[in-house]
Amino acid sequence: QQPVQSPQAVILREGEDAVINCSSSKALYSVHWYRQKHGEAPVFLMILLKGGEQKGHDKISASFNEKKQQSSLYLTASQLSYSGTYFCGTPFGAGSYQLTFGKGTKLSVIP
Amino acid sequence: NAGVTQTPKFQVLKTGQSMTLQCAQDMNHNSMYWYRQDPGMGLRLIYYSASEGTTDKGEVPNGYNVSRLNKREFSLRLESAAPSQTSVYFCASSAGTGSQETQYFGPGTRLLVL
Repeated sequence: QQPVQSPQAVILREGEDAVINCSSSKALYSVHWYRQKHGEAPVFLMILLKGGEQKGHDKISASFNEKKQQSSLYLTASQLSYSGTYFCGTPFGAGSYQLTFGKGTKLSVIP
Repeated sequence: NAGVTQTPKFQVLKTGQSMTLQCAQDMNHNSMYWYRQDPGMGLRLIYYSASEGTTDKGEVPNGYNVSRLNKREFSLRLESAAPSQTSVYFCASSAGTGSQETQYFGPGTRLLVL
């Protein structure tokens, strides 16, 4: 079952912050985050492998709450280059080769 | 190091025609995947290959077949294309188990079925 992402779309001005949420109705064993720019392939951002884990990459970070079955992606002091669609992906089951992706959150950063 | 490459980049087919989408990776990865992406639907897994010599169905396998030709190459075949198969197709690869490893995506093939 697909994870649910919210919001579906968000518009930010440069320098503003945003939070993208990813939640699942079933147990989460890991959460992947990818960004896709228009007309391009998805690009890996980070994986969170266990509950309570937090990771950061430049000014983009994420947390994973295993008990709540959700993950959040935090974008701080947004830049124009952050624009794109963000996807979370979760495995079908423990050790599964298959990822199921959310429908995506479209982020637009304007000057 | 090209990563994941896909051919063709764009294709137009008529209903009923067949075609094969090619994918190759040069990262010595064990696992490879085929996804389709439709507007508002995210990425959906069609087939995957956990290792050379094995293939398994994903979420939306109907109307497709795959071949893991060798460790580098994983092809997707449409035997009789239908308008519902109009989509963007992405191939991806990962070193090991997909749920714990980064997946690297190719540039995509845009397919239009008339």
